[in-house]
Formats: sequence, structure tokens, C-alpha cells
Amino acid sequence: AQSVAQPEDQVNVAEGNPLTVKCTYSVSGNPYLFWYVQYPNRGLQFLLKYITGDNLVKGSYGFEAEFNKSQTSFHLKKPSALVSDSALYFCAVRDIGGGADGLTFGKGTHLIIQP
Amino acid sequence: DSGVTQTPKHLITATGQRVTLRCSPRSGDLSVYWYQQSLDQGLQFLIQYYNGEERAKGNILERFSAQQFPDLHSELNLSSLELGDSALYFCASSYTSGKLFFGSGTQLSVL
Repeated sequence: AQSVAQPEDQVNVAEGNPLTVKCTYSVSGNPYLFWYVQYPNRGLQFLLKYITGDNLVKGSYGFEAEFNKSQTSFHLKKPSALVSDSALYFCAVRDIGGGADGLTFGKGTHLIIQP
Repeated sequence: DSGVTQTPKHLITATGQRVTLRCSPRSGDLSVYWYQQSLDQGLQFLIQYYNGEERAKGNILERFSAQQFPDLHSELNLSSLELGDSALYFCASSYTSGKLFFGSGTQLSVL
């Protein structure tokens, strides 16, 4: 079975500061890892994904994520936060060896950027 | 705009009733997924269809069922509704594995 943990319900960051949203995963095989963002009253939007290759993945809106196999982590990062980054962020995983294409999502982390 | 269309946007009904949620995937996407989002359970995978066939089942109750039609649109049927079924129901579609495109959701309120 695959699972994702987002240990923080909420992360508060001042505008202009770097931000990190944490995610750890558990899969039986090799993982596909994803970050999605949800703005109020909207569906989830894809930010970035890791499949293979470089451990640092760049995505939309200036976000990036670092894959760490030994720590089974896939933390989302941004060098300089914007107020408009405030949203709900979901980490997700798919077991490459799994039969289904569906993603397993974490519980989400509320990111609040303070002006 | 993700290209995934869900109707209706809001649905208010009573306990014991049956409702149908509709989803039109992005053009060319063969997979459709249904998710339920609630405050206490988070985002739960319900079911996946691929080109008309059921592909995977998640935490879907027996009172719930879904299907995907030849034109690839999908419907999620919820019956014998309970107060606890109140949630935001998302449909998502994909062409390649993993990158899902989500609709704006149907907010279901069971009174």
C-alpha cells in the first residue's frame, strides 16, 4: 500500500522569505511523486512531479521540490514567498508498480504567507 | 481552466435521497477519477475508470456507484444519502499516468 504524510497542518511564512512544505511517502516500489495546489473554491492544480532523474524538480509558479530517497521525502520549496502563494498544498504518490493510476494524497498543508 | 467539467456545482438534498454527479473529462483523456474531499477525511480516492472500464477502487461505499460512458463522460451515483456524505466531490481526468486535471467539484449538502 502507498501512503503520504504531510506533518504540518499549517505553515506560516512572511512574504519574501523562503518556504518549505514537508512531505514523506511510503511505497513498496519506486514512486511517482506530485505536488498539487488548491485555491479556495477551486479544484486541485498540478504543480510538479518527480519520476526519475534529477532530485530537484522545478514546477509552476517558481516552486521546486527535492526528492530524497534515503529519507523518503519530497519537500516543496520556494526561495521567496508571495502572498498569492497562500493556498492548500497536497503531496501525492503513485506506486509505479501498482496496478492503478490513481494518486494517494496527503491530508494537505495550509500555506499562509503574511504580508 | 482545467478542461474538466463537473455539474452541478452545488447540490442540496435530503437524507435517504439519490443524486447523480456528472463529469466530462478533457478532450482525449481516457481515465476518469472520482475523489471525495471533506474536512475530517481529507481527499479520498473513490474510483477510477479507463476507457469505459473500472480500473481501480478506493474507499467507495457500496451505496455509491459510478460508470463511464462510450463518450467518456462519467457519472457518480450516490444513494441512500446520509448527513456524513456531505462533501466536495471532485472528478479528475488524465491521459498520462499521474498528472491529473481536476474539475471545480460538486459541493453536496445533505440536510
